[in-house]
Amino acid sequence: DQQVKQNSPSLSVQEGRISILNCDYTNSMFDYFLWYKKYPAEGPTFLISISSIKDKNEDGRFTVFLNKSAKHLSLHIVPSQPGDSAVYFCAATTSGGSYIPTFGRGTSLIVHP
Amino acid sequence: NAGVMQNPRHLVRRRGQEARLRCSPMKGHSHVYWYRQLPEEGLKFMVYLQKENIIDESGMPKERFSAEFPKEGPSILRIQQVVRGDSAAYFCASSPFGTEQYFGPGTRLTVT
Repeated sequence: DQQVKQNSPSLSVQEGRISILNCDYTNSMFDYFLWYKKYPAEGPTFLISISSIKDKNEDGRFTVFLNKSAKHLSLHIVPSQPGDSAVYFCAATTSGGSYIPTFGRGTSLIVHP
Repeated sequence: NAGVMQNPRHLVRRRGQEARLRCSPMKGHSHVYWYRQLPEEGLKFMVYLQKENIIDESGMPKERFSAEFPKEGPSILRIQQVVRGDSAAYFCASSPFGTEQYFGPGTRLTVT
């Protein structure tokens, strides 16, 4: 049973436009959410996170939105750049425990020049 | 400050052999995590270790898999008597305080 779901395996966007990557979770105990970016043949790199006490967190071109009632979060990339082409993993955890994130299956983003 | 290092990057083993995967955490990090990524899947947690202690091994298969993080040297993930289903990418991550994790480049294990 997947507790973190990324229902879109891939997304294609034109350079300069907005990329929106979605993530849903089922475990109401999750209170800390992270996005990781992964290039081929490399390990995931941390991108941005959000605590459940917030509904938005912004870092440069990247913004994460959290809708607790819907158990849904999204990552917005504006403007999208070709270098953003990668697999994006959504992850969720409970901050009071051992902080081990549960990952979604990832969304492959392709940004076309 | 060097990042998390994993070796080998690629490992080929025949069925029944042993596989040893090594992970050197970032300097000053005492928390190590191992994950497995099967094709078309997300990363699945396997085990969480601190120096000389296994903190959480709830994601480890009950047989053939073991992990250690000795006082000196890298963390080792050992898979005995490998089977084709063990073919995957294995990622190690380290953390200074058990919070944000920094991942290594992974070891791709192929069992023939």
